[in-house]
Amino acid sequence: EVQLVESGGGLVQPGRSLRLSCTASGFTFGDYAMSWLRQAPGKGLEWVGFIRSKAYGGTTEYGPSVKGRFTISRDDSKGIAYLQMNSLYAEDTAVYFCARTIVVLTTIRYYFDYWGQGTLVTVSS
Amino acid sequence: QSVLTQPPSVSGAPGQRVTISCTGSSSNIGAGYDVHWYQHLPKTAPKLLIYGSTNRPSGVPDRFSGSKSGTSASLAISGLQAEDEADYYCQSYDSSLSGSEVVFGGGTKLTVL
Repeated sequence: EVQLVESGGGLVQPGRSLRLSCTASGFTFGDYAMSWLRQAPGKGLEWVGFIRSKAYGGTTEYGPSVKGRFTISRDDSKGIAYLQMNSLYAEDTAVYFCARTIVVLTTIRYYFDYWGQGTLVTVSS
Repeated sequence: QSVLTQPPSVSGAPGQRVTISCTGSSSNIGAGYDVHWYQHLPKTAPKLLIYGSTNRPSGVPDRFSGSKSGTSASLAISGLQAEDEADYYCQSYDSSLSGSEVVFGGGTKLTVL
């Protein structure tokens, strides 16, 4: 059974940093791209970014609202994906989800077939 | 303001059929990119319902179906059940001169009356 568990959320002051972890089980982690997404209170889902599998270079892509501040990395030996968040703003307050990502180089492009339950990040002084 | 536009809410009685629309533009759905749909109940993991505009993952009931035409897509739910009450999101890919990104609709809350 595919399982994704996010951890590392909490209360952080504006301008500070926080690192989230996504621990995966039930599949060969290294074979898949992994994404981070978020949902601000009362809002819809927003894509944060993803990291490709090592077979496709392990490269990353980010959404415009976090580009330059957030960094996604992975440790395939541990089955963990990370989201390093720097220079946090109040607008980054959200539940953060990790998701296994299917990458298809057709019109399908990217979709998320398994998600974790999320971890709450609150940015406030 | 979401790149893809969904109605904020829809409702239907048990057993009825409802549809949720997802409207995009020439840089996403209209460019030929597929649409994917997710079901989300509060405080749970979102669930993939439809991928590639029309395909159901194994385990998703055939009461759920997807379609796409032009710059829009739709999710249809037939034989409504109380357990279908949730938020539904469409997702696609957007590529323009300013860059490329994964985009979502703002979500639609389905109420089963």
